[in-house]
Amino acid sequence: GENVEQHPSTLSVQEGDSAVIKCTYSDSASNYFPWYKQELGKRPQLIIDIRSNVGEKKDQRIAVTLNKTAKHFSLHITETQPEDSAVYFCAARMIQGAQKLVFGQGTRLTINP
Amino acid sequence: DADVTQTPRNRITKTGKRIMLECSQTKGHDRMYWYRQDPGLGLQLIYYSFDVKDINKGEISDGYSVSRQAQAKFSLSLESAIPNQTALYFCATSPTGASPYSNQPQHFGDGTRLSIL
Repeated sequence: GENVEQHPSTLSVQEGDSAVIKCTYSDSASNYFPWYKQELGKRPQLIIDIRSNVGEKKDQRIAVTLNKTAKHFSLHITETQPEDSAVYFCAARMIQGAQKLVFGQGTRLTINP
Repeated sequence: DADVTQTPRNRITKTGKRIMLECSQTKGHDRMYWYRQDPGLGLQLIYYSFDVKDINKGEISDGYSVSRQAQAKFSLSLESAIPNQTALYFCATSPTGASPYSNQPQHFGDGTRLSIL
């Protein structure tokens, strides 16, 4: 079955610096890769997603890149701010079968002022 | 605003008790999901339903059951709760999309924190 590995599990960066979180997936048939942000005590919220026919997508300070050959995708946050502190989850969906989302283990990002 | 609502938000109960967690949505989505979140393990899929007559097991369905009472309601039951089912439980929904293979984002409820003593 599908497996998604996410690294690092914790990440601490200075305010204004960039943060990068990486995920690898096992099933080459996966075609959809969303990223969720979960603030403390709150629900996961979709922040950006990318489909397998696109290599990169940007939305203001966040971007996601996808390398289908290597089966990995990354979240990039530039000019980090204190409100970016949260747990971030990547996920991957298979194109066949049940089309379930499989989530990574999460990255706790802390922005230091 | 259309939303996904989970009840209760918190529940403490004893080993062996039957528990039901409820989820209702006003988004008009056909697809509903139940996830379990444990520290360091991300979100694990328990059950999912693509429409009222469709129920499917996820990665960790043992010890759980579900009921899709209507398009807008999807409940999760623990028939005989055990301490290792202590976790944060999330319900999520997504639209079907233009085709069975189209990708639509999932929208989560606020979660139910369940503690089993």
